[in-house]
Amino acid sequence: KQEVTQIPAALSVPEGENLVLNCSFTDSAIYNLQWFRQDPGKGLTSLLLIQSSQREQTSGRLNASLDKSSGRSTLYIAASQPGDSATYLCAVSNNYQLIWGAGTKLIIKP
Amino acid sequence: EAGVTQFPSHSVIEKGQTVTLRCDPISGHDNLYWYRRVMGKEIKFLLHFVKESKQDESGMPNNRFLAERTGGTYSTLKVQPAELEDSGVYFCASSHEPGTGAGYTFGSGTRLTVV
Repeated sequence: KQEVTQIPAALSVPEGENLVLNCSFTDSAIYNLQWFRQDPGKGLTSLLLIQSSQREQTSGRLNASLDKSSGRSTLYIAASQPGDSATYLCAVSNNYQLIWGAGTKLIIKP
Repeated sequence: EAGVTQFPSHSVIEKGQTVTLRCDPISGHDNLYWYRRVMGKEIKFLLHFVKESKQDESGMPNNRFLAERTGGTYSTLKVQPAELEDSGVYFCASSHEPGTGAGYTFGSGTRLTVV
């Protein structure tokens, strides 16, 4: 049974710092891995999707890596800004279902 | 294009009552998914519709939950009777292709509180 774990559960850093969020999963037989962002009262927004055959994806200040063999992914946020404050969720795809981690609540202090 | 719309955004009901959540997918999206996050837990899959047919309902927790998608357009999720442990946020997503998570658009969710 696939399980997804995110560390840390919460993170508070000063504006401008680079930071890394971690995601691990127990079964390497995945189709892809996605990083989502959730703002309070809002929906889930996909930030980056990495196919199982890929190693990383980049979008602006965000870079996500995938090491399928070790069951790990990281989301790197460069030069963090207060607007990056949100909950970040990792999800792996298993057939037509997404298996989710519990999320990391990120606070960027001005 | 309009996004995925869910309503109500919030619902507070008493234990034993019935609640119906609604999801309007993006027009033309045949695939519709329900997920939920109960307090302190991860988001969990509930079910997947392809048009009006239930493709996968393996995540439905018990027979108090009934999902429908008449005509293959909007979907409803009824909880009857509601229990305290049903409290959480219910998300709906839709996609054009039955993708593996790619191309999903999520709604803002319905926060259900059972008291």
